[in-house]
Amino acid sequence: AQKVTQAQTEISVVEKEDVTLDCVYETRDTTYYLFWYKQPPSGELVFLIRRNSFDEQNEISGRYSWNFQKSTSSFNFTITASQVVDSAVYFCALCAGNTPLVFGKGTRLSVIA
Amino acid sequence: DTAVSQTPKYLVTQMGNDKSIKCEQNLGHDTMYWYKQDSKKFLKIMFSYNNKELIINETVPNRFSPKSPDKAHLNLHINSLELGDSAVYFCASSPTWGLEEQYFGPGTRLTVT
Repeated sequence: AQKVTQAQTEISVVEKEDVTLDCVYETRDTTYYLFWYKQPPSGELVFLIRRNSFDEQNEISGRYSWNFQKSTSSFNFTITASQVVDSAVYFCALCAGNTPLVFGKGTRLSVIA
Repeated sequence: DTAVSQTPKYLVTQMGNDKSIKCEQNLGHDTMYWYKQDSKKFLKIMFSYNNKELIINETVPNRFSPKSPDKAHLNLHINSLELGDSAVYFCASSPTWGLEEQYFGPGTRLTVT
């Protein structure tokens, strides 16, 4: 069975601090994809990144970066120099084999000015 | 142009009523989904259609019936609404079934009184 664990339920940081959101996954499939989605207070779900199981290169997009480590089954998300607009619930998700997308329970990030 | 749209955005109704939520995507995707997000923000898949055919039907009460008149539309009809049906329902689509990112609609907040 596929499983995604986001152990951090809520995180609060002060603006301009860096913050890392943890994601640990479980799957027996060798081919799988990992995702991050953002859900701001307005409620929509915004796709951020997709990473396949064969590509362990870290990814950077502006202030966002992702660290994928198969050895620890983790796909962590770091926001550098956080801003108030980063306040949202962030979901990590896993898709493997013929199973549907499985979401973690989300991490609520609050960035305080 | 809105990629995945849902109507209505808010739906307040009484127990026992029947209601429908409509979803349309203009991305040319083959696969569409319905998710339920409960009050704790937990996201769970309900249904998935690929090329108008049902491919996933999770353990959802049979009061919930999806209908896909064509690839661009996936509607959700709910009979005999119950208090526990109150949630946010998200429609999503992806290019094909499998290991691809999904794009979500804005969500429909259903409140059953």
